[in-house]
Amino acid sequence: DTGVSQDPRHKITKRGQNVTFRCDPISEHNRLYWYRQTLGQGPEFLTYFQNEAQLEKSRLLSDRFSAERPKGSFSTLEIQRTEQGDSAMYLCASSPWVGGKLFFGSGTQLSVL
Amino acid sequence: TQLLEQSPQFLSIQEGENLTVYCNSSSVFSSLQWYRQEPGEGPVLLVTVVTGGEVKKLKRLTFQFGDARKDSSLHITAAQPGDTGLYLCAGGNFGNEKLTFGTGTRLTIIP
Repeated sequence: DTGVSQDPRHKITKRGQNVTFRCDPISEHNRLYWYRQTLGQGPEFLTYFQNEAQLEKSRLLSDRFSAERPKGSFSTLEIQRTEQGDSAMYLCASSPWVGGKLFFGSGTQLSVL
Repeated sequence: TQLLEQSPQFLSIQEGENLTVYCNSSSVFSSLQWYRQEPGEGPVLLVTVVTGGEVKKLKRLTFQFGDARKDSSLHITAAQPGDTGLYLCAGGNFGNEKLTFGTGTRLTIIP
């Protein structure tokens, strides 16, 4: 069990660029979650997957955001036309079942200049 | 919208002292979790409480869920520098995968 892995750890981009983050959950965890955390705040729910199906999306997830989990393994979160307000830590978590313990990755810190 | 307010927002105390942090909501939750987060890392689950009035102990940490399942507290006895971090409460509801996180308490223990 190597834990939840996120890549990259840090990303600096210019406003208007597209960025993509990757999350590798703990193997055999069928639930995968994306949260966003801004400085001084708790994480906010963005979306979650059960296997490859995206079952819920927060209203925070504007049409510039898209998440996928092909084959129910790793997941990607893409942000198109980044804005300064997108600067945050993007956290991925996985869980073996509904209501089960969430295991978080170390996050991807995004800075939009 | 369910909200969780944590207090205090910041707390700095000397090693060996006791402290309590609070997590309050106007909404009822089915469960309440407490996490600790280190700088540059994701949150790590400390405990889950599910029954109103429930008390759980984890070494020097005591967690309590309010009778009405709207609030919770975390008490640390004889704080140590290793307790330093951001403490987050998170509320969950049965049948809903989403956790609602609190605003966090940033704790610093001074050696």
